[in-house]
Amino acid sequence: GQQLNQSPQSMFIQEGEDVSMNCTSSSIFNTWLWYKQDPGEGPVLLIALYKAGELTSNGRLTAQFGITRKDSFLNISASIPSDVGIYFCAGAQDYKLSFGAGTTVTVRA
Amino acid sequence: SQTIHQWPATLVQPVGSPLSLECTVEGTSNPNLYWYRQAAGRGLQLLFYSIGIDQISSEVPQNLSASRPQDRQFILSSKKLLLSDSGFYLCAWSVGPRGNTIYFGEGSWLTVV
Repeated sequence: GQQLNQSPQSMFIQEGEDVSMNCTSSSIFNTWLWYKQDPGEGPVLLIALYKAGELTSNGRLTAQFGITRKDSFLNISASIPSDVGIYFCAGAQDYKLSFGAGTTVTVRA
Repeated sequence: SQTIHQWPATLVQPVGSPLSLECTVEGTSNPNLYWYRQAAGRGLQLLFYSIGIDQISSEVPQNLSASRPQDRQFILSSKKLLLSDSGFYLCAWSVGPRGNTIYFGEGSWLTVV
């Protein structure tokens, strides 16, 4: 699948800060997904978005499916040390995913 | 609830040797099954996907093949490994009306030496 444009590529944040990352694409997707991957493990699904404009929360995580269906963002509020990892966005169409390159989040204690 | 398992978790193989990675999904029937590869550093590349037994699509021409001998079993193989086959291989599944929501296994590290 095509590569999505995910930004930022990496970020250092202070514990307690809010984090925001986003993904854009030149193509339309039916579903936007956000995953977190810890070293040596498979990506874990955080949030799935199925409808343009949809805003969904999962604990301290909030994600939105862009109204154009070509973008999505993920917010993490009040970051904690266990938020470190690589976050991937993915756009889904016809049962296949296209992935962003990932955002590496490192939390300063 | 559904679970996915893949094995082996880690594999070191010499160049030219065969490969077999196995994946099974429990707790569902007729899942869509996938093999992804993640090179060191990041992005996930779709290698194969299957929407049913004997229905396997290849996304990238390469040294690998996939088979689905049973509804919930997906196997990634190679007859002769290349150095460039090294990477982190991930099996994944999806099912039902939300077939675009894909869940990943634990991953298998392959090092070709």
